[in-house]
Amino acid sequence: EAGVTQFPSHSVIEKGQTVTLRCDPISGHDNLYWYRRVMGKEIKFLLHFVKESKQDESGMPNNRFLAERTGGTYSTLKVQPAELEDSGVYFCASSLVSGGEQYFGPGTRLTVT
Amino acid sequence: QKEVEQNSGPLSVPEGAIASLNCTYSDRGSQSFFWYRQYSGKSPELIMSIYSNGDKEDGRFTAQLNKASQYVSLLIRDSQPSDSATYLCARNAGNMLTFGGGTRLMVKP
Repeated sequence: EAGVTQFPSHSVIEKGQTVTLRCDPISGHDNLYWYRRVMGKEIKFLLHFVKESKQDESGMPNNRFLAERTGGTYSTLKVQPAELEDSGVYFCASSLVSGGEQYFGPGTRLTVT
Repeated sequence: QKEVEQNSGPLSVPEGAIASLNCTYSDRGSQSFFWYRQYSGKSPELIMSIYSNGDKEDGRFTAQLNKASQYVSLLIRDSQPSDSATYLCARNAGNMLTFGGGTRLMVKP
């Protein structure tokens, strides 16, 4: 069974540019989560999808971040325009049921210069 | 006070010893916890979940949850150099995980 996959693995962009991160959850997992780890800090929750619906986006930093999950399969997280403080590692996770065990993808390391 | 706290370490143990990793939390309503292992530059890997008070064993790993004292621990028996990693404790709030900062474990041959 394939695990959670994320693309790209690394992205370096300039301040003000736009970046889109993609996550493909484990097949059959309706629950998809986005997390972020900035340098020296704990991994922080961003948002949670159940199928194509946003269940909780309380962790989204501001309106420069937009997450979508059209069709309830893969998800994208777009940052527009990117700021320096957006640098970090963005993880995606999925679970079979809400509250169940979450399996993480390899992450996307975003560097904003 | 952070919601989930861990000693950052490093915790150094000799090969073959028992490694004991601890985590405390502030929300008395917390129901379940996950332990993740993270190698440098890699993603968190789920190694244990615990949903009720008491102990849960899986191979060389034992997770312990004490809701009265608000702590969670992970014991690793017969520690191996390959266990050297950062161990993350995460509180499961149903729709999100709240992570501690992680404890770095070093197992010396």
